[in-house]
Amino acid sequence: GAGVSQSPSNKVTEKGKDVELRCDPISGHTALYWYRQSLGQGLEFLIYFQGNSAPDKSGLPSDRFSAERTGGSVSTLTIQRTQQEDSAVYLCASSFAGDYGYTFGSGTRLTVV
Amino acid sequence: AQSVTQPDIHITVSEGASLELRCNYSYGATPYLFWYVQSPGQGLQLLLKYFSGDTLVQGIKGFEAEFKRSQSSFNLRKPSVHWSDAAEYFCALQKYGNKLVFGAGTILRVKS
Repeated sequence: GAGVSQSPSNKVTEKGKDVELRCDPISGHTALYWYRQSLGQGLEFLIYFQGNSAPDKSGLPSDRFSAERTGGSVSTLTIQRTQQEDSAVYLCASSFAGDYGYTFGSGTRLTVV
Repeated sequence: AQSVTQPDIHITVSEGASLELRCNYSYGATPYLFWYVQSPGQGLQLLLKYFSGDTLVQGIKGFEAEFKRSQSSFNLRKPSVHWSDAAEYFCALQKYGNKLVFGAGTILRVKS
């Protein structure tokens, strides 16, 4: 596609439920990143996929968070047993391998009530 | 440790006035530096980037930034601000492994 597409744009969920956030990167981009943006914490790195290499999961805040990337394209970020502190905007970005500076999607605003 | 500091949380300028947003970084090697802009409800848009070479970098929307190694700074400038420039601006540094480290952001308000 022309840009990085994220869905849903907004998600309200009850505490304790699981949620899945989707990211469709720019066609041909082999690198994909997830960031979280929340009040008081700014922009935090979560996870990074590069081609067929093992993902860099060093930014995932707990084992309730996981992500996968199927076929080197679409990625899904899953949050299990959501907590109120998970409320944030989750941003996905992609780039060509070895490129610097990413293209970001518009994000998914997650609200846990 | 690598870090990015944006000292100003909010800045207000009049339309047509010049703008400078400050960014300081801490990094042990030659940094890759970026400025992004985020309008409300939107993702981040890349304004400009610095890798090496000319220390004055031109970006989109009339923005420029100057890399000053001696001051560990990468300040963003625009000679004449438009009301549509009101947004949040983020300075970022690229770490090894392609992770971006962001500053806390500066919210720009434009007075008409």
